[in-house]
This record gives sequence, structure tokens and C-alpha cells, in this order.
Amino acid sequence: AQKVTQAQTEISVVEKEDVTLDCVYETRDTTYYLFWYKQPPSGELVFLIRRNSFDEQNEISGRYSWNFQKSTSSFNFTITASQVVDSAVYFCALSEGGAGSYQLTFGKGTKLSVIP
Amino acid sequence: DAMVIQNPRYQVTQFGKPVTLSCSQTLNHNVMYWYQQKSSQAPKLLFHYYDKDFNNEADTPDNFQSRRPNTSFCFLDIRSPGLGDAAMYLCATSSSRLPQETQYFGPGTRLLVL
Repeated sequence: AQKVTQAQTEISVVEKEDVTLDCVYETRDTTYYLFWYKQPPSGELVFLIRRNSFDEQNEISGRYSWNFQKSTSSFNFTITASQVVDSAVYFCALSEGGAGSYQLTFGKGTKLSVIP
Repeated sequence: DAMVIQNPRYQVTQFGKPVTLSCSQTLNHNVMYWYQQKSSQAPKLLFHYYDKDFNNEADTPDNFQSRRPNTSFCFLDIRSPGLGDAAMYLCATSSSRLPQETQYFGPGTRLLVL
């Protein structure tokens, strides 16, 4: 069975600090996909990134970067120079590559508070 | 901009009074999902439509039903809301059911049951 663990329930940082959100996953499939979503207080889940299991290249998008390591089954998310607008709940999610595997398995989320 | 729209954003209903939540999309996606998210929890999939084909999750209560009259619209009907059904309801869409497809979410409807 697939599983996603976000061990950090809540994190608080002061504005401009860097912060890393951890995500560890379990799957028996060799083909799988990992996602990060942001949920601000307004409630909408905003898609941030998708990564497939065959692409271990790290990705950077502005202040956001993602570190995918298959050896440790981790897909961590770093925000550099955090801003108040980054305050949200962040979900890591996994889908497996089997036929009909449309289901997203979400972690429990990490609530990030950026203090001005 | 292509998007997923949910109405209303906030809904108050009485215990046992049927309520309908609506979702529309301009993405022309084949798949539409309904999730329930309770406070401080991850979203939980209730069911989805692949075109007109309805797919219920095994643990979704019978109290929850859905309709998809056309590609653009999908409705969530709660026949007899209980206090435990108070939650955020999120609609999402994807172009197919392949696992690599990104699901795009609407802003959600917060349901309060009095």
C-alpha cells in the first residue's frame, strides 16, 4: 500500500528565513508520481509541482526548490527567503503507476507560518 | 483563464436538510472528483466521474450522491446532512485517470451543518 508521511505538523519561521518541508513516501511500484500542493487559508489546493519516479533531477522555480531522492524515498520542498504569502498548509501526494491508479494519496500536510 | 469554479463558497444547512454543492470547469477535462476535507486533515476522495461513468469510493457513505449532467458541471448532493458532514468540499478535475495527470482543484465550499 502506498503511504505519504509529512512528519512536520507545523513550522514557524521568521520572514526571509529558508525552510524545508519534508515528505517521505512508500510504494512498491517502480513507476510513481509525486506532487506538492499549497493550500492557503482561502482553501483552494494550488498545484506546485509534479515529479515522476524516473526523473531524480532537482528542480528550482524562483524561491521554490525540490529535492527528490529515491534512495531515501524523499521528496522535500525548500522555500528560500520565505515571505508572509508563503503561509499555508503544504501537502505532498503520491500516485502509483498501475492501470487505473488515479488516486492521490496525500500526506497529512505541514502548516507553515511565516512571521513578519 | 481556464479554471475550476465552486459555488457557493460557503453553505449553511440544517441537520437533515438536503443540500447541493456545485462545481464547474472550463478546462474541458474528462474527469471530475469530489473530495471531503475536515479540519486539519488531508482531502479524502469521495467519488469521481470519468466522462459519464460514476465511480464511488468504497467507504463513501450512501448519504453522498453525485450528478454530472455534462462535461462542464458536476454536483454533490448530501441527502441528509449530519453534524459530522461539516467540512470543506473540494472539486478537482484532470484530463484523464492516468496517475501522472495533475488534478486541478477549485476553491472549495465550506459546509456548516446546524
